[in-house]
Amino acid sequence: AQRVTQPEKLLSVFKGAPVELKCNYSYSGSPELFWYVQYSRQRLQLLLRHISRESIKGFTADLNKGETSFHLKKPFAQEEDSAMYYCALRYGGSQGNLIFGKGTKLSVKP
Amino acid sequence: NAGVTQTPKFQVLKTGQSMTLQCAQDMNHNSMYWYRQDPGMGLRLIYYSASEGTTDKGEVPNGYNVSRLNKREFSLRLESAAPSQTSVYFCASSRTALNEKLFFGSGTQLSVL
Repeated sequence: AQRVTQPEKLLSVFKGAPVELKCNYSYSGSPELFWYVQYSRQRLQLLLRHISRESIKGFTADLNKGETSFHLKKPFAQEEDSAMYYCALRYGGSQGNLIFGKGTKLSVKP
Repeated sequence: NAGVTQTPKFQVLKTGQSMTLQCAQDMNHNSMYWYRQDPGMGLRLIYYSASEGTTDKGEVPNGYNVSRLNKREFSLRLESAAPSQTSVYFCASSRTALNEKLFFGSGTQLSVL
């Protein structure tokens, strides 16, 4: 069965430190992977998607099919990065087949 | 533009009561979704509507019904609320069912006593 695993419920780092939010997936086909973010008192929103290979707000994520991972990274964390981060997997090409991980709360301390 | 608007923002029900959560989007999107978010569970898809006139079950449809009233509106109904349905409910929309970018509403906090 398809599954998305975010092993850390909470990740706490200091400002300026590197941050890596882990995401592993289980899917035998070609996955489409995304990171969504929810800042305090804001709506859940798309941060980035693997197909675009883009950097958003300094975050990058590389799809590693061998390790079935899609970790989110940023070299220097900022306080405004504090939020809930959700990794999501779409399979079968349909939005109805989009499943989310349980989320990781990132806390960046001053 | 308001984007995706959900009402109400908060609701308390007694077991067995019924209610409808309303969702509307003004982005001319074809596809709409209802998710629930429970502590430690992430978001789980309840129902979705790939286009006007169609609805499909998601991961956790039991106890819910939906209506795609028109292109703008997608409602979620609890016919007989149960404590297990206490959750935060999110409506979302996307341009198409194949489009990866979901736009979310601000959520409805529902408590069933």
